[in-house]
Amino acid sequence: QLRESGGGLIQPGGSLRLSCAASGFSISNNYMSWVRQAPGKGLDWVSVLYSGGRTFYTDSVKGRFTISREESTNTLFLQMDSLRVDDTAVYYCARENTAMLPGALDIWGQGTMVTVSS
Amino acid sequence: DIQMTQSPSSLSASVGDRVTITCRASQNIGSFVNWYQQKPGKGPQILIYAASSLQSGVPSRFSGGGSGTDFTLTISNLQPEDFATYYCQQTYSSRTFGQGTNVEIK
Repeated sequence: QLRESGGGLIQPGGSLRLSCAASGFSISNNYMSWVRQAPGKGLDWVSVLYSGGRTFYTDSVKGRFTISREESTNTLFLQMDSLRVDDTAVYYCARENTAMLPGALDIWGQGTMVTVSS
Repeated sequence: DIQMTQSPSSLSASVGDRVTITCRASQNIGSFVNWYQQKPGKGPQILIYAASSLQSGVPSRFSGGGSGTDFTLTISNLQPEDFATYYCQQTYSSRTFGQGTNVEIK
């Protein structure tokens, strides 16, 4: 299971760190992604952290967001800096099951809402 | 970047109907396509991976097909619990979702 936390209301230009606590599997042995969904909109892939440590980001968050993990607590993070109004969304963490297909997201959290507004 | 164009954006159907959703990739992506179902207020659930493989536990009325640039998700014998939004996703190069298809009750 995955459980996100850390969302909330933040002013434009501010920072927020999201957490995703995993249970039942090791996030360090899996590819882990963040996906967001703006209110009333579709799914938007944000970032992935490979088991080997490589990271990738969608263009709109490069240089502003950082994905990381803490093995001791089995927790995935998304550090979000220089937040913009268009970052407002529900943020989901999800596990990629590379045995199925790289990028196939087979376990999702319930999401945490981030609202960027003045 | 690879774009995924999903159609239709919404459709109305009745219980028992057969429904087909299509997704077109902006370039050849082989079979690197997954399909998800999302219900209001919930996280998505994977239905199909690698274009045509059914995820464990997903009813067999769901099927996926296609390769290259054109892909389909078919729901045969639509059930009340199938009314939801469906998304395709490519993972050939980075990851991109289609815009979604809302399946509504007629």
